[in-house]
Amino acid sequence: DTGVSQNPRHKITKRGQNVTFRCDPISEHNRLYWYRQTLGQGPEFLTYFQNEAQLEKSRLLSDRFSAERPKGSFSTLEIQRTEQGDSAMYLCASSRTGGRTEAFFGQGTRLTVV
Amino acid sequence: KNEVEQSPQNLTAQEGEFITINCSYSVGISALHWLQQHPGGGIVSLFMLSSGKKKHGRLIATINIQEKHSSLHITASHPRDSAVYICAASSGYALNFGKGTSLLVTP
Repeated sequence: DTGVSQNPRHKITKRGQNVTFRCDPISEHNRLYWYRQTLGQGPEFLTYFQNEAQLEKSRLLSDRFSAERPKGSFSTLEIQRTEQGDSAMYLCASSRTGGRTEAFFGQGTRLTVV
Repeated sequence: KNEVEQSPQNLTAQEGEFITINCSYSVGISALHWLQQHPGGGIVSLFMLSSGKKKHGRLIATINIQEKHSSLHITASHPRDSAVYICAASSGYALNFGKGTSLLVTP
């Protein structure tokens, strides 16, 4: 499968625990995006990487959130000290560089904080 | 920020009906994307367009750049078309999403 892969698909965690999600983009795509989607809403932008550089972070990304893309390939999104409000679908997408390039999405990681 | 509005929010149709979902955005864009999301979360890109019209099977997407408006049409709708349809406007790298239109096609 050469699409965008996200792991895990589902994560249930207790409030206060740390969680980490992984995204493997399409191999030749140098742009990688993280989005968060809550029930009944469209995805909201969290952060964006061009290769290994994190070029943009949303204000939604509090200090408890950190994202990395150490070698410009896969990316991780970590949430520390999870809160119930963090429960959402976390989506990863990748694309080539350029203004009119199609973004390809992963299946998402659904996080439930109990 | 580009405000992206979709209508209707929810739509129920009978199998075979012609369906239209509308999307409007507030500022100039480089491209407009139509996406499909099934229960379970995965998003599939249907169209990316910056002008005119595109067709794929029973799906047609149009965009009017001057009016900042796009439509997604589904001809001869089928229950398997039931999903959430999301439009997203891109400016540079950023994608701003609408809230989605939840479509249910009944047999």
